[in-house]
Amino acid sequence: DAKTTQPTSMDCAEGRAANLPCNHSTISGNEYVYWYRQIHSQGPQYIIHGLKNNETNEMASLIITEDRKSSTLILPHATLRDTAVYYCIVSIYSNTGKLIFGQGTTLQVKP
Amino acid sequence: DTGVSQNPRHKITKRGQNVTFRCDPISEHNRLYWYRQTLGQGPEFLTYFQNEAQLEKSRLLSDRFSAERPKGSFSTLEIQRTEQGDSAMYLCASSLNREVLAKNIQYFGAGTRLSVL
Repeated sequence: DAKTTQPTSMDCAEGRAANLPCNHSTISGNEYVYWYRQIHSQGPQYIIHGLKNNETNEMASLIITEDRKSSTLILPHATLRDTAVYYCIVSIYSNTGKLIFGQGTTLQVKP
Repeated sequence: DTGVSQNPRHKITKRGQNVTFRCDPISEHNRLYWYRQTLGQGPEFLTYFQNEAQLEKSRLLSDRFSAERPKGSFSTLEIQRTEQGDSAMYLCASSLNREVLAKNIQYFGAGTRLSVL
């Protein structure tokens, strides 16, 4: 499984967009990029995933570079409840599906 | 859809005792995963079931650990002769995998926090 690199921590002002980067330079052609987040004392929560096209859902947008070596998760209007650890994961679609978590990025949304 | 349920939420035990955790996945989810998470780290994969078959086990799963998923529904994770190093959050996740529709989005429970004294 490809490894990912994320900044350890980031701050964001409430109401502003939070842009969380992820490097996955060794990603292979059949690997998807998944984002999960974990709010304190809860289990991880799925946010979004993509292969090579940009994706958007009700929670966030995912921008994947053309060479697929990096991606950015965008929370368009961060709220205090978005304070969490955000994990960027690459995983083969429909394989065992096990997720290999790194240490993630701790996002602190400040009022 | 009531979500993934894990019981108990907290377990305190003495070193050397056996403990068992239960996970009830989302109904009709055919895949079930167990992860372990220690403080400040991301979750680590332990084992995976497709229906009742245990198809993969991590090297982290020593012979003191055993997991079952009878009838492909709920799952149990048992730790025998617990050690202080087993103290962690044990997370269960489930997903639905049906061929072309498979996205393998995993839904996690809130976890069982184990403290071994």
